[in-house]
Amino acid sequence: RKEVEQDPGPFNVPEGATVAFNCTYSNSASQSFFWYRQDCRKEPKLLMSVYSSGNEDGRFTAQLNRASQYISLLIRDSKLSDSATYLCVVTTSNTGNQFYFGTGTSLTVIP
Amino acid sequence: DTGVSQNPRHKITKRGQNVTFRCDPISEHNRLYWYRQTLGQGPEFLTYFQNEAQLEKSRLLSDRFSAERPKGSFSTLEIQRTEQGDSAMYLCASSLGAHFYEQYFGPGTRLTVT
Repeated sequence: RKEVEQDPGPFNVPEGATVAFNCTYSNSASQSFFWYRQDCRKEPKLLMSVYSSGNEDGRFTAQLNRASQYISLLIRDSKLSDSATYLCVVTTSNTGNQFYFGTGTSLTVIP
Repeated sequence: DTGVSQNPRHKITKRGQNVTFRCDPISEHNRLYWYRQTLGQGPEFLTYFQNEAQLEKSRLLSDRFSAERPKGSFSTLEIQRTEQGDSAMYLCASSLGAHFYEQYFGPGTRLTVT
């Protein structure tokens, strides 16, 4: 079983729409959680960390449900520039020795 | 450019040959990671260095793969006796101390094994 599982999509949404991605992880001992963004043919970049209390950064909201072992990312008021692949990332320690990436969820925002 | 750099950017090799890739992390970053990414997949962890010490190695990594970071600065990843299944993008990332989660990735080395 994979450490991290995501629906690969693709998600095609109109500008201004709200879209949500979920991700599940298999190791209940996982400690830290993140969302990375990867544009086509580019390297991944950190989008945001995910905290148990949930966190928000502008139009982006990330939440963690430890009991159900899933992580979510909500994007409000989608922009064309949000088109990318969103990668769910989990580490099994607080020291970041090993990162597990999901397969990524592809988002295309349509004009 | 003060970001992570990787060389070469592309490598085409014949099956059975050895290849070596280089990664130069951001200068003050003590942590360095190697990943492999294939089409439609997320990066797959290969190995991790803190300074010059290799602290983690994926159990999926065969003995044909070896990595070094001799002076805690640049790192090399060598693949011996390449196989067609080794064809992938090899990504290097670095991060700093308490901000380990913010990994800065290089542009990658695309390996094609024919």
